[in-house]
Amino acid sequence: GAVVSQHPSWVICKSGTSVKIECRSLDFQATTMFWYRQFPKQSLMLMATSNEGSKATYEQGVEKDKFLINHASLTLSTLTVTSAHPEDSSFYICSARGRSERERGEQFFGPGTRLTVL
Amino acid sequence: GNSVTQMEGPVTLSEEAFLTINCTYTATGYPSLFWYVQYPGEGLQLLLKATKADDKGSNKGFEATYRKETTSFHLEKGSVQVSDSAVYFCALSERINTGKLIFGQGTTLQVKP
Repeated sequence: GAVVSQHPSWVICKSGTSVKIECRSLDFQATTMFWYRQFPKQSLMLMATSNEGSKATYEQGVEKDKFLINHASLTLSTLTVTSAHPEDSSFYICSARGRSERERGEQFFGPGTRLTVL
Repeated sequence: GNSVTQMEGPVTLSEEAFLTINCTYTATGYPSLFWYVQYPGEGLQLLLKATKADDKGSNKGFEATYRKETTSFHLEKGSVQVSDSAVYFCALSERINTGKLIFGQGTTLQVKP
């Protein structure tokens, strides 16, 4: 099946620094990638949708200057949390969707990245 | 807006018990419905899906029927195993091609031997 990886799996950083999270589709070309945020014991909240080669579409209430998303290739999308603060601490999950009929209509999820901002 | 509501957990069952996790939705148009499962330390995996009313999705002994009249998509399994312990998420997308998912809050299932 389709595999999506994330790196790092967890990261601790100081307040004010920036953190980059990578999301890779390992065995298929991801024309669309999604970034979610999950708080403890809560649901996944969609942050943004990114299509390869174009700007990301952010959900209402998500600061695009705070959460920079780049989808430069069909196998890689990055989320950069800029000037991170403790309230940005969360579990960030990416998912990817490929072009083929089989893959359309399903998202393949990465294992998530735990971000802790001190 | 569109939304998904799941029964609160945690749900604790003994092995071989019958499982039901309720899921109801609010949506405009004709959404597709999904159940995802998240095992400890892993990402979300698609468990089953249904794309139109009265469709039944099934996988690994789990099944759910898309009920438009009650706007529900309850997850059932006749006999749970310890290995089914996980968090289950109900989700909808407006149309299968858009891929944008709206999740319920998740239900933790713990199965004891």
